[in-house]
Amino acid sequence: QVQLQESGPGLVKPSQTLSLTCTVSGGSISSGGYYWSWIRQHPGKGLEWIGYIYYSGSTYFNPSLKSRVTISVDTSKDQFSLKLSSVTAADTAVYYCARTGVSHATLDVWGHGTTVTVSS
Amino acid sequence: QSALTQPASVSGSPGQSITISCTGTSSDVGGYDYVSWYQQHPGKAPKLMIFDVSYRPSGVSNRFSGSKSGSTASLTISGLRAEDEADYYCTSYSLSSSVIFGGGTKLTVL
Repeated sequence: QVQLQESGPGLVKPSQTLSLTCTVSGGSISSGGYYWSWIRQHPGKGLEWIGYIYYSGSTYFNPSLKSRVTISVDTSKDQFSLKLSSVTAADTAVYYCARTGVSHATLDVWGHGTTVTVSS
Repeated sequence: QSALTQPASVSGSPGQSITISCTGTSSDVGGYDYVSWYQQHPGKAPKLMIFDVSYRPSGVSNRFSGSKSGSTASLTISGLRAEDEADYYCTSYSLSSSVIFGGGTKLTVL
């Protein structure tokens, strides 16, 4: 079955860019029918959708983060990536990637999550 | 976009039923039958429990059910068990082709 795994630095300095990659196994990003999402969870808080990408490269973002977020896809590697610029301590969170059903936005397969701390 | 509104906490005794509400607007919950519910145990990734308002993924207990009326969706858990104690989140597809989360509800099994 499809599995997702996040990877990337666990520590990022303030004002720098946070970069994470999600690797999809057991299936192909190019098969269509799904968006590929990034979600985060601040310590002790709720979940926040960051954005998603289709294999064609079409993207949609949370309006509150849109100005700082880039999501890209590499279909040859079955990976999609998140870049969040100009980070502050407020961006410290667990970051999840998830498969997302097209049009109904169901997040049906999740990665385990990776903790990113923003600190100097 | 504002988060969907959920109660911060609910509780129930083993064997009882509880309902968690998720209130949005006509631009999200009220406008689409695309509400999902997720269960999250501490330190774990969320798990899909209900999608498209009332459908259960394979493997999810039929003690979990979903419904919607207007702009409010609900998750009902019947026959409460200790292992149901977790945080529960709703999501909805939104007018801007985005996903909007509820603030989350902590379920305590007494």
